Amino acid sequence: NAGVTQTPKFQVLKTGQSMTLQCAQDMNHNSMYWYRQDPGMGLRLIYYSASEGTTDKGEVPNGYNVSRLNKREFSLRLESAAPSQTSVYFCASSGLDRGKETQYFGPGTRLLVL
Amino acid sequence: AQSVTQLGSHVSVSEGALVLLRCNYSSSVPPYLFWYVQYPNQGLQLLLKYTTGATLVKGINGFEAEFKKSETSFHLTKPSAHMSDAAEYFCAVSDTGGADGLTFGKGTHLIIQP
Repeated sequence: NAGVTQTPKFQVLKTGQSMTLQCAQDMNHNSMYWYRQDPGMGLRLIYYSASEGTTDKGEVPNGYNVSRLNKREFSLRLESAAPSQTSVYFCASSGLDRGKETQYFGPGTRLLVL
Repeated sequence: AQSVTQLGSHVSVSEGALVLLRCNYSSSVPPYLFWYVQYPNQGLQLLLKYTTGATLVKGINGFEAEFKKSETSFHLTKPSAHMSDAAEYFCAVSDTGGADGLTFGKGTHLIIQP
């Protein structure tokens, strides 16, 4: 199992450009998440999807859109990138581990917006 | 609303010494508590989690944490630090087991002195 995979690993954008971050999981998990990590801020939830066809806002959703394409894939889109969106983005999926809900994280996408 | 406070953005210990990373939480209901570790340029890896039952939780790599309801704490400890423990550590809380995402602390960078 590859677990949670993310593409691309690195990306540089100019202000106003758009891009989509891709995430896929092969663990048959229902729930998937997008977080951003900024220095000294920990991780903050952007959006999550409790099941295929549903999405909900997290703590910091402004400037982002998401699509739960199917059970495996959950993408994050920046329609018009801003320097404040420079961050490391982590995708996660959640499933049962020894009977308890556990989140598993991807390796991250580093995004720089100039 | 739930929140997590990690005391000390940086903690430095000597190799072989006790590691103590502090985490206090606030939650309106019995919480689910997690510790994650992040090595440089990698995603987050689950160290241990508390859901219900025994308040002393053992995790991977020799780490353990104790849930103390009266102190609203979930401190992470390891009896003897190893150079390979140098990393960023995050405490996280959820009221729902994580189904609607986790709330993370800002992280503690653990430095191991030779």
